Amino acid sequence: QKEVEQDPGPLSVPEGAIVSLNCTYSNSAFQYFMWYRQYSRKGPELLMYTYSSGNKEDGRFTAQVDKSSKYISLFIRDSQPSDSATYLCAPRSSASKIIFGSGTRLSIRP
Amino acid sequence: EAQVTQNPRYLITVTGKKLTVTCSQNMNHEYMSWYRQDPGLGLRQIYYSMNVEVTDKGDVPEGYKVSRKEKRNFPLILESPSPNQTSLYFCASSRDQNYGYTFGSGTRLTVV
Repeated sequence: QKEVEQDPGPLSVPEGAIVSLNCTYSNSAFQYFMWYRQYSRKGPELLMYTYSSGNKEDGRFTAQVDKSSKYISLFIRDSQPSDSATYLCAPRSSASKIIFGSGTRLSIRP
Repeated sequence: EAQVTQNPRYLITVTGKKLTVTCSQNMNHEYMSWYRQDPGLGLRQIYYSMNVEVTDKGDVPEGYKVSRKEKRNFPLILESPSPNQTSLYFCASSRDQNYGYTFGSGTRLTVV
């Protein structure tokens, strides 16, 4: 079993929709949770960084962590065509390096 | 502009011909790392460096070498490339491994 699992997609939604991207993990020691966004032919860029369970909001983006079920979510409100990218979840523990999921490809239709 | 710069962006080479991919960062970051990205496998760490002259293996170090003689530079060396090293390579840096990474734009390597 992989330490981090993501549905690869592609996920296609109309512009303006709410997008939910999800990730599950197996290591209960993970405490820090990141989301990276990767555009085609570019390197990943850090989008959200959260610690422990709960929600964190930044503009149209909300990161949610449920440690009891080992489930991480990223919500995008009022989605835009510029949000079309691959989204990587990336948890880590205090003692380990970051583990990257293989990513979910998202396409926003104008 | 704060950035990680990799060169070259694209490289096609033949099996066994030594090559170096350069990586440089201008943010005075202590931590640097190399990843390869393959379809379905995600980002896998090759090597990392906590500081100058300190390097360590990641998950997939076989066939690669690195050096960290200066804080800003972290080249990736393939002494004898093989076709299974065909991949998309990313260099990344961070204040330390507890923080998020800044990635370069990637190097697409093809070994024939």
